[in-house]
Amino acid sequence: GENVEQHPSTLSVQEGDSAVIKCTYSDSASNYFPWYKQELGKGPQLIIDIRSNVGEKKDQRIAVTLNKTAKHFSLHITETQPEDSAVYFCAASTTGGGNKLTFGTGTQLKVEL
Amino acid sequence: DAGITQSPRHKVTETGTPVTLRCHQTENHRYMYWYRQDPGHGLRLIHYSYGVKDTDKGEVSDGYSVSRSKTEDFLLTLESATSSQTSVYFCAISSGAYNEQFFGPGTRLTVL
Repeated sequence: GENVEQHPSTLSVQEGDSAVIKCTYSDSASNYFPWYKQELGKGPQLIIDIRSNVGEKKDQRIAVTLNKTAKHFSLHITETQPEDSAVYFCAASTTGGGNKLTFGTGTQLKVEL
Repeated sequence: DAGITQSPRHKVTETGTPVTLRCHQTENHRYMYWYRQDPGHGLRLIHYSYGVKDTDKGEVSDGYSVSRSKTEDFLLTLESATSSQTSVYFCAISSGAYNEQFFGPGTRLTVL
């Protein structure tokens, strides 16, 4: 089955700096890659996703890049703000067959003032 | 939380007792999922449903069963709870196999 590895497990940045979280996956058939943000005591919230037919997607301060050859994808957050502090999860799936997501183990992002 | 509620939100039970968690959605989405979240493991899929009475196993299905008799409700049952099933359980929904998944607020289950 699919295996998703996520790094780093913790990340501390200064407000205004950029943050990058990286994930690798094992199944070359995976073609859907969402990113979730989870605040303490809440459910994961979808913040951005990318499908295998594109290499990059942006939404305001958030961007995701995908390298299918190397089987890795990354989340980029620019101009970080204190409210970006949370746990971020990457995931991968093959669409169809129920779109079963395999998650990374999460990155605790702390944005310091 | 995209029209998803989970009940109960917190539960403490004893080893060997049966437990049922409920996920209710108001979005009329076809797909529903149960995940568990544990430190160091991220979220792992337990079971999912692709329609009324249509369910399938996920990565960590042993010790769990599910039922879906109505589009809006997906039940997760632990027939005989064990301490290893202490976890936070999340329900998710999706309108299609190619579409985004949205998560509920979670249920924290403690098995003593």
